[in-house]
Amino acid sequence: GQNIDQPTEMTATEGAIVQINCTYQTSGFNGLFWYQQHAGEAPTFLSYNVLDGLEEKGRFSSFLSRSKGYSYLLLKELQMKDSASYLCAVRRLAGNTPLVFGKGTRLSVIA
Amino acid sequence: DTEVTQTPKHLVMGMTNKKSLKCEQHMGHRAMYWYKQKAKKPPELMFVYSYEKLSINESVPSRFSPECPNSSLLNLHLHALQPEDSALYLCASSRTGEPGAQYFGPGTRLTVL
Repeated sequence: GQNIDQPTEMTATEGAIVQINCTYQTSGFNGLFWYQQHAGEAPTFLSYNVLDGLEEKGRFSSFLSRSKGYSYLLLKELQMKDSASYLCAVRRLAGNTPLVFGKGTRLSVIA
Repeated sequence: DTEVTQTPKHLVMGMTNKKSLKCEQHMGHRAMYWYKQKAKKPPELMFVYSYEKLSINESVPSRFSPECPNSSLLNLHLHALQPEDSALYLCASSRTGEPGAQYFGPGTRLTVL
């Protein structure tokens, strides 16, 4: 079966740094994706990792360790608008195969 | 243009109605997807189209019928739905090849009475 785990909820302070972890056990791996979803809205693509290491994109960074089945999304200089759900998703096979989503982490940014 | 559009934004229908959801993208993506999302749950894949051909059907009931008239359009035809089918229906598209991030449309909020 496919298993993707991430914390259900997290709270962090405006201006701080927060790390959202994701562990996965899937039959096959061809990339890990992070999406942001505000309540009532569609997911927005944030980043992806195919190879081990850190990918940086402005205030957002994503890290992958394939041997450990582990990824994290790092958000720096938190803003109130970063309050949202963050979805970790794995593509198991090459090509146009669907993503397997984790249940998402609801992040609340407080003043 | 990195936008996926969906119409309508909201739809209320009875269990005997027939309606269609529409999705459009002009990014040249040749893979398009339908997802269903219930509140506080992750998206669940329904269908995948690749080069206008249905490549994946995740055991979706026949009351949902997808159609891909051309490389830019994706429809979802609805007939005899149940109240439990009420959800946010999301369309997404991605380029073929590796690794291809999916771009989501804003979704259609469907309520079945």
